[in-house]
Amino acid sequence: GAVVSQHPSWVICKSGTSVKIECRSLDFQATTMFWYRQFPKQSLMLMATSNEGSKATYEQGVEKDKFLINHASLTLSTLTVTSAHPEDSSFYICSALNRERESTDTQYFGPGTRLTVL
Amino acid sequence: GENVEQHPSTLSVQEGDSAVIKCTYSDSASNYFPWYKQELGKRPQLIIDIRSNVGEKKDQRIAVTLNKTAKHFSLHITETQPEDSAVYFCAATNAGKSTFGDGTTLTVKP
Repeated sequence: GAVVSQHPSWVICKSGTSVKIECRSLDFQATTMFWYRQFPKQSLMLMATSNEGSKATYEQGVEKDKFLINHASLTLSTLTVTSAHPEDSSFYICSALNRERESTDTQYFGPGTRLTVL
Repeated sequence: GENVEQHPSTLSVQEGDSAVIKCTYSDSASNYFPWYKQELGKRPQLIIDIRSNVGEKKDQRIAVTLNKTAKHFSLHITETQPEDSAVYFCAATNAGKSTFGDGTTLTVKP
């Protein structure tokens, strides 16, 4: 249990276009999901906290109008990178909290999405 | 906000030796400390975690210690194997939100 999927696993797009990444909790309901960005050989940097039914909370320095997050259901959060530029190329990973099974802060990570902007 | 420092950034050991990675955190409200192993291009994999009301936890070859007063926690891997080679991240968590260390690249030489 506690499986998180992401789609797509990789995407290549042209500069100026928008890309949507989906994060799904497959066997549990996730009221809270997180979106991270990871550049090569670097750590995971939290971009935003996605809460079902409410607006996402963005970390300092992350442009909310550029990285649109929607958490419309208890099993799906989406991250849309708008007007993507080459510097947005990165590994985007989501995670979800499973508070159904345990009252812990254990995060379950998706497999990540490799975004390349040409 | 929380600040997590992790050392060393790289660690090379001989197969069978032990490896120790250390992290410090700044926010005394953090109460959950997971450790992740990440292989290239893959998701972080939880390998062990510890809560602030516990000082030590062990799972086979892996152990974690926590000194809440000093705000530091450590990962210990004994009898290392080549398949332990990966990047390891520590994290400090408060109310579900985690701050990650910069990672340690562990190389286990056969």
